[in-house]
Amino acid sequence: RKEVEQDPGPFNVPEGATVAFNCTYSNSASQSFFWYRQDCRKEPKLLMSVYSSGNEDGRFTAQLNRASQYISLLIRDSKLSDSATYLCVVALRTPSMEYGNKLVFGAGTILRVKS
Amino acid sequence: DAGVTQSPTHLIKTRGQHVTLRCSPISGHKSVSWYQQVLGQGPQFIFQYYEKEERGRGNFPDRFSARQFPNYSSELNVNALLLGDSALYLCASSGLQGSPYNEQFFGPGTRLTVL
Repeated sequence: RKEVEQDPGPFNVPEGATVAFNCTYSNSASQSFFWYRQDCRKEPKLLMSVYSSGNEDGRFTAQLNRASQYISLLIRDSKLSDSATYLCVVALRTPSMEYGNKLVFGAGTILRVKS
Repeated sequence: DAGVTQSPTHLIKTRGQHVTLRCSPISGHKSVSWYQQVLGQGPQFIFQYYEKEERGRGNFPDRFSARQFPNYSSELNVNALLLGDSALYLCASSGLQGSPYNEQFFGPGTRLTVL
């Protein structure tokens, strides 16, 4: 079983649509959670951190359910510029990594917004 | 302020050769991590360095090694290159301490092709 699982998509949506991405993670020791966005052949860029209380940044809303080990991202009023791959990411710190941590990425969900 | 920088941008090598990739973190960041991203997958953790010491290692063979210098820049070395080493190599920089709660910021990557 993969440590972080996402629906690969692609999600093809019209401009203005609302789209939701889901993600599950297997390691209950995961300590922090993020969504990254990656454009074709570019580096991942941090979209937002995810908190148990839920958080919103403009058209983007992220939710975390630690009990279910489930993370979500909601994009409202989709724009053409939202077309990208969205990566669900968890951060882990293990006893062998004092002052260290690693990010574990899902394979990404492809979003295509069309006019 | 400059973001994370990596060099070279692209590299073509043949099987059996070795390669050195370089990374400079965001000014003030002391932690550098390396990731490998093959086509169609999310990035995979290779190493993390904090204060010039290795703080974590992913599931990669001993052909992969790295180090961090007093100015916090870092090198990733790969020996005896295999075709399967062809990938985008990403360097990520994070804050003053290697906390999993610190966001990691990625450089543009080095695209390595092994022929």
